[in-house]
Amino acid sequence: LAKTTQPISMDSYEGQEVNITCSHNNIATNDYITWYQQFPSQGPRFIIQGYKTKVTNEVASLFIPADRKSSTLSLPRVSLSDTAVYYCLVANDYKLSFGAGTTVTVRA
Amino acid sequence: ETGVTQTPRHLVMGMTNKKSLKCEQHLGHNAMYWYKQSAKKPLELMFVYSLEERVENNSVPSRFSPECPNSSHLFLHLHTLQPEDSALYLCASSQESAAGGSYEQYFGPGTRLTVT
Repeated sequence: LAKTTQPISMDSYEGQEVNITCSHNNIATNDYITWYQQFPSQGPRFIIQGYKTKVTNEVASLFIPADRKSSTLSLPRVSLSDTAVYYCLVANDYKLSFGAGTTVTVRA
Repeated sequence: ETGVTQTPRHLVMGMTNKKSLKCEQHLGHNAMYWYKQSAKKPLELMFVYSLEERVENNSVPSRFSPECPNSSHLFLHLHTLQPEDSALYLCASSQESAAGGSYEQYFGPGTRLTVT
């Protein structure tokens, strides 16, 4: 299983862009990279998934360099409601390894 | 009901009790998961069922016993637990495809378990 490493916490202000980088040095060829968001007392919620290069959806972008040893989740123009824990997951089928999570705190 | 539901939401049990956690998914998915989330620790995958067959069992103690009677329901039977088993137990589901890959998982709200 690929081990993932994320920063423990990050602080930001409303309207700013937040970038969270996850390191996964021993990622396997068939592994995908997925990011989840979790609020207190709730289960994680899917944000975005990618294999290589860049993926964008309505809430975030995911940047994956050519060597795939890291990935960066980008949250544009965050609001107070984006305060949550963000998890990086590297997985192929049912071989799953969640990171410890990054607590993002957005301040007014 | 929509999405993934879990009951009960909170459970307090003694070390000699037997209890069960229930998960139900209303998404038509064909894979279901149990996770354990302890304070200050990453999510730990416990069991995976795909098409009602167990496909992953991550060295979980035998005091945890999963059951998947059909693709919509998943149970976690608990007996003679230890205080260190106190945690949030999360259920998730996903749609497996023949192409493989990593699947978008939909999580339930979890059951907060306290073992006294």
